[in-house]
Amino acid sequence: AQSVTQLGSHVSVSEGALVLLRCNYSSSVPPYLFWYVQYPNQGLQLLLKYTTGATLVKGINGFEAEFKKSETSFHLTKPSAHMSDAAEYFCAVTDGGATNKLIFGTGTLLAVQP
Amino acid sequence: EPEVTQTPSHQVTQMGQEVILRCVPISNHLYFYWYRQILGQKVEFLVSFYNNEISEKSEIFDDQFSVERPDGSNFTLKIRSTKLEDSAMYFCASTEFPSTGELFFGEGSRLTVL
Repeated sequence: AQSVTQLGSHVSVSEGALVLLRCNYSSSVPPYLFWYVQYPNQGLQLLLKYTTGATLVKGINGFEAEFKKSETSFHLTKPSAHMSDAAEYFCAVTDGGATNKLIFGTGTLLAVQP
Repeated sequence: EPEVTQTPSHQVTQMGQEVILRCVPISNHLYFYWYRQILGQKVEFLVSFYNNEISEKSEIFDDQFSVERPDGSNFTLKIRSTKLEDSAMYFCASTEFPSTGELFFGEGSRLTVL
């Protein structure tokens, strides 16, 4: 069964520093991959997605992620963190089943220090 | 922009009571999902629904849970007799094309069982 691993449940960076949030998936068959962001007391907002084509995908708020099949990874990056980026970030993959539902990682809480 | 709406945003109930969480999916979407997120934990799949029947359900979705599309716009999740461990944020999602894996989530309904 498909699974998602997010290394680091808490990540803290300084404002202006690089953000790197890690995500690895388990399947040998590349799924579709997503990053969602959840701000405090809010729902899940799609940041970016990879389905096919270019392996470097750009999302909202300056985030991007690169699909690396050889490493079964889909790490999320942002060159320069902003205070407003503080949130929880979830990596998700499709399971390839009948309804192609999403399987979520455990999430990474990003803190941005002034 | 079309969005998934959920009501209530927060419900407090006594253990053993019935709860109905309501969702209005995006109007041209035909595939519906419920996920839940226990505080501090990952987002978990509960059930998917298409053509007025359950497509897939998880182990969590036991006989205490049911879903229904009572009319052309609403999609409901009923918990028949709530338990303390049902306290969580419940997210509704919909999609037009499940093959893409991209789900559109509502803001969530926070259920607190006392």
